[in-house]
Amino acid sequence: GESVGLHLPTLSVQEGDNSIINCAYSNSASDYFIWYKQESGKGPQFIIDIRSNMDKRQGQRVTVLLNKTVKHLSLQIAATQPGDSAVYFCAETGSSGGSYIPTFGRGTSLIVHP
Amino acid sequence: DTGVSQDPRHKITKRGQNVTFRCDPISEHNRLYWYRQTLGQGPEFLTYFQNEAQLEKSRLLSDRFSAERPKGSFSTLEIQRTEQGDSAMYLCASSTILPTGGSGNTIYFGEGSWLTVV
Repeated sequence: GESVGLHLPTLSVQEGDNSIINCAYSNSASDYFIWYKQESGKGPQFIIDIRSNMDKRQGQRVTVLLNKTVKHLSLQIAATQPGDSAVYFCAETGSSGGSYIPTFGRGTSLIVHP
Repeated sequence: DTGVSQDPRHKITKRGQNVTFRCDPISEHNRLYWYRQTLGQGPEFLTYFQNEAQLEKSRLLSDRFSAERPKGSFSTLEIQRTEQGDSAMYLCASSTILPTGGSGNTIYFGEGSWLTVV
């Protein structure tokens, strides 16, 4: 099947900087996208999601942008903190067959230096 | 019940033994998913249930793997005759029937069950 990929496997930032994590998807039928944060030894933790009828959604310190034209998704984290250090995954889901089964890419490791 | 619960969190077993993992989804969630994750990779879909019906299985789910959700609540994932290649984290997730966002209507994961086959 089609897959989700990430541009950068590792992102290293200083505490207080803004972070941007990118994700490309290839399945044009995908209509719901989810960002997860995964800390070492733990399961993926929901951060924020966005439907395909939106191009931007904001949460607390996080913003997700969706560009359907180029099939690109990004997660912006404002004022990055050491506690944000983790692997971040974007997952795409779609109504194909009614399944809505999330498909994950490899993830981006975010390292925040104090 | 505030989240997806998995048990055990860690399991070490000898090659050839059978292991079983249990998942308790979020209450009222009709859908339950199983994923496998190895180091450095994203979670890979194994199978999912809608209520008690197993609706889809991936090619990763070999005949040594079996999953059940007999009453549409908790689920078990059993691996028979374990092999070293089965070593991974097994993740369970749950959602409503149509997880399309809005008001917390998304797919939530548990903390996973680590399997080490020696």
